[in-house]
Amino acid sequence: AQKVTQAQTEISVVEKEDVTLDCVYETRDTTYYLFWYKQPPSGELVFLIRRNSFDEQNEISGRYSWNFQKSTSSFNFTITASQVVDSAVYFCALSEANNYGQNFVFGPGTRLSVLP
Amino acid sequence: AAGVIQSPRHLIKEKRETATLKCYPIPRHDTVYWYQQGPGQDPQFLISFYEKMQSDKGSIPDRFSAQQFSDYHSELNMSSLELGDSALYFCASSLGTSGGRTQYFGPGTRLTVL
Repeated sequence: AQKVTQAQTEISVVEKEDVTLDCVYETRDTTYYLFWYKQPPSGELVFLIRRNSFDEQNEISGRYSWNFQKSTSSFNFTITASQVVDSAVYFCALSEANNYGQNFVFGPGTRLSVLP
Repeated sequence: AAGVIQSPRHLIKEKRETATLKCYPIPRHDTVYWYQQGPGQDPQFLISFYEKMQSDKGSIPDRFSAQQFSDYHSELNMSSLELGDSALYFCASSLGTSGGRTQYFGPGTRLTVL
């Protein structure tokens, strides 16, 4: 069965600090996909990144970076020089390749508060 | 770029009433998903459709039904509403239904049952 764990329920940082959000997943499939979504206070779910299980290259997009490690089943997300606008709930999600309904399994989310 | 459209954005109903939520996917997307998000919870998958056929089913109550139409829009019908149905309902769409497709979410419909 697939499962996503985000152990950090809430994190508070001061603006300009770096912060890492943890994501640990469980799956029996060898082919799977991992995602991060951002849910700001306005409520919408914003897609941030998609990673497949065969691509362990880390990715950087501006202040955002992702570290994928299959050996520890983790897909962590780092925000560098955080800003108040980064305050949101961040969800990690997993999709198995052989699931043709292709629904996501979301983690419980991490609420990030960036204080000015 | 066009995004997923959901209507209405807010809906207030009484217990035992019915509600219909609508979802218009991103143009050319053929797969639609419905999720329910309770307060402080992560989104829970309800149901999905690919090319107008149900492709997967999650924890959708029997009181709920959904369909996808020929223009790919989808409707979620909810009957005999209960207080516990109060939640944010998301629709998402993707191009194709094979594993790993990125789902793009709409802004959600906030349903309040009184």
